[in-house]
Amino acid sequence: EVQLVESGGGLVQPGRSLRLSCAASGFTFDDYAMHWVRQAPGKGLEWVSGISWNSGSIGYADSVKGRFTISRDNAKNSLYLQMNSLRAEDTALYYCAKAGSIAVAGTSFFDYWGQGTLVTVSS
Amino acid sequence: AIQLTQSPSSLSASVGDRVTITCRASQGISSALAWYQQKPGKAPKLLIYDASSLESGVPSRFSGSGSGTDFTLTISSLQPEDFATYYCQQFNSYPPLTFGGGTKVEIK
Repeated sequence: EVQLVESGGGLVQPGRSLRLSCAASGFTFDDYAMHWVRQAPGKGLEWVSGISWNSGSIGYADSVKGRFTISRDNAKNSLYLQMNSLRAEDTALYYCAKAGSIAVAGTSFFDYWGQGTLVTVSS
Repeated sequence: AIQLTQSPSSLSASVGDRVTITCRASQGISSALAWYQQKPGKAPKLLIYDASSLESGVPSRFSGSGSGTDFTLTISSLQPEDFATYYCQQFNSYPPLTFGGGTKVEIK
């Protein structure tokens, strides 16, 4: 059974940093690209960032480019999102999502999602 | 970035109704479109990928069609468990990947 478990969310002041983690199991982690998708309270889905199976291809939404860094550790079956210079508008539930197609860099749908970790940016 | 416009943004329907949701892309995306269902407090669930391929385990009352810029999600006979918000997502162009604004299906 595929499982994605996010952690690391919490309340943080504007301008500070936070690191999210996603622990994956139930599939061959290093075969698939992985992504972060967020959802602000009461709003729709917004893709944040994606990383290819070998970290060779990385993409970011314009809204987070230069502030967020995605990474992965295939030996630990883990995905990360380092979030710096956080803003109030980054407040959202952050989902880790698995690419639905094997060995695809970024052009994919998402076949499994975690339950999300809530990030609240407020003073 | 490719923009996806869903319509309607909300609808009211009865159990047994046929429901159609549309998603229009700002430029052609071939068949690189997925549909998700999201219930309150839950993560999105994949329903359809490649515009018309049904994800394993998804009931056959869900179907998708379209290519290029115009796409449709159809629920042939709405069931009580189908009341939720539905999102389309394009994966033809990256980055970014983009979602539609969502369609909330409510009980009439």
